[in-house]
Amino acid sequence: SQQGEEDPQALSIQEGENATMNCSYKTSINNLQWYRQNSGRGLVHLILIRSNEREKHSGRLRVTLDTSKKSSSLLITASRAADTASYFCATGLTGGGNKLTFGTGTQLKVEL
Amino acid sequence: EAGVAQSPRYKIIEKRQSVAFWCNPISGHATLYWYQQILGQGPKLLIQFQNNGVVDDSQLPKDRFSAERLKGVDSTLKIQPAKLEDSAVYLCASSVSPNSPLHFGNGTRLTVT
Repeated sequence: SQQGEEDPQALSIQEGENATMNCSYKTSINNLQWYRQNSGRGLVHLILIRSNEREKHSGRLRVTLDTSKKSSSLLITASRAADTASYFCATGLTGGGNKLTFGTGTQLKVEL
Repeated sequence: EAGVAQSPRYKIIEKRQSVAFWCNPISGHATLYWYQQILGQGPKLLIQFQNNGVVDDSQLPKDRFSAERLKGVDSTLKIQPAKLEDSAVYLCASSVSPNSPLHFGNGTRLTVT
């Protein structure tokens, strides 16, 4: 079963705009991770945020985590055409030994 | 560093046939995972190894799927017999340890006709 649900399912923006994707989950987590998947390729790890953290930055990426609402958001600033991909959140459950459960993904398309 | 290697890249078989996938994780990574990704969905964990021991195989259809990780390095995933609903991409991933980020291979796309 899917633990995380991303919203929106699909997002289309112009190059230079910001893209925001949201992830909601159901049970207590140890950490939450975001991954990117280009068409026909494997997933690439972007950022990991632990349950005791509220915000994390990496380059043009900003991730927030609200454990009281069981939700996270991924913001990509100044998007580029190369950011076109599917983005997945994955939750590591408390005591789960890094058994990651992936969401359904957001398909991002960045147009020139 | 070399990434996670998987082969074959593509495989087409008929239902009821058998198939095997191979994965070579990043050197030194103790944890290895097999995920199934059906088109349009997120990856679903099939089995997780820590060295050569199974940590979690709760979602592995054990009547038809099997996996092994001999010597705690390479791993193979087998399906016998295959069903139409097994059509998916099979992703292998590895990590240094539990709770560290996963590194994925490019996957094997299986089509069952």
